[in-house]
Amino acid sequence: AQTVTQSQPEMSVQEAETVTLSCTYDTSESDYYLFWYKQPPSRQMILVIRQEAYKQQNATENRFSVNFQKAAKSFSLKISDSQLGDAAMYFCAYKGETSGSRLTFGEGTQLTVNP
Amino acid sequence: EAGVAQSPRYKIIEKRQSVAFWCNPISGHATLYWYQQILGQGPKLLIQFQNNGVVDDSQLPKDRFSAERLKGVDSTLKIQPAKLEDSAVYLCASSLLADVGNTQYFGPGTRLTVL
Repeated sequence: AQTVTQSQPEMSVQEAETVTLSCTYDTSESDYYLFWYKQPPSRQMILVIRQEAYKQQNATENRFSVNFQKAAKSFSLKISDSQLGDAAMYFCAYKGETSGSRLTFGEGTQLTVNP
Repeated sequence: EAGVAQSPRYKIIEKRQSVAFWCNPISGHATLYWYQQILGQGPKLLIQFQNNGVVDDSQLPKDRFSAERLKGVDSTLKIQPAKLEDSAVYLCASSLLADVGNTQYFGPGTRLTVL
């Protein structure tokens, strides 16, 4: 079974600085997708960024980028120029070819942004 | 485009009572998911529908949980009777299709407290 691990329960960053959230996963599949979702106190899961495993180029969405290391099964999220609105719980998630469209989530990292 | 709608947002019940949650997916999305998110954990898939058929309900506690999507649009998740450990946020999500590359969009969730 696939597993997703987020080893940082909490992280904090100063406004305008950069922070990196870690995620590792375990899988034997070759075709899969990785996601970072943001969950603010409102509880709505918001997609931040996604990465296809077959693409070597790291995904980027404005201030958000990933460092995808396929061999190491690592998928970290970098947030540049952090803003107060970035404060939330961040979940790393995996979806693979044999698990259908089931998302497997990590335990989450609570990000605090200090003014 | 309207997002995934859920109601109610909050529900408090006594153990052994029944409760039902409603979800309206994004228009045109064939695939609908119900996730359970216990406090401090990532969401866990309970059931997945493709149109009005069940694709995956392997993690649904069928002795007390049931779900339906009669016309392939709205869905209802029911718990009868509720237990203390059912206290959680119930998230509904939808995607256009069920293949591994499709992104899931989440609703705001229903927070259930069982006393």
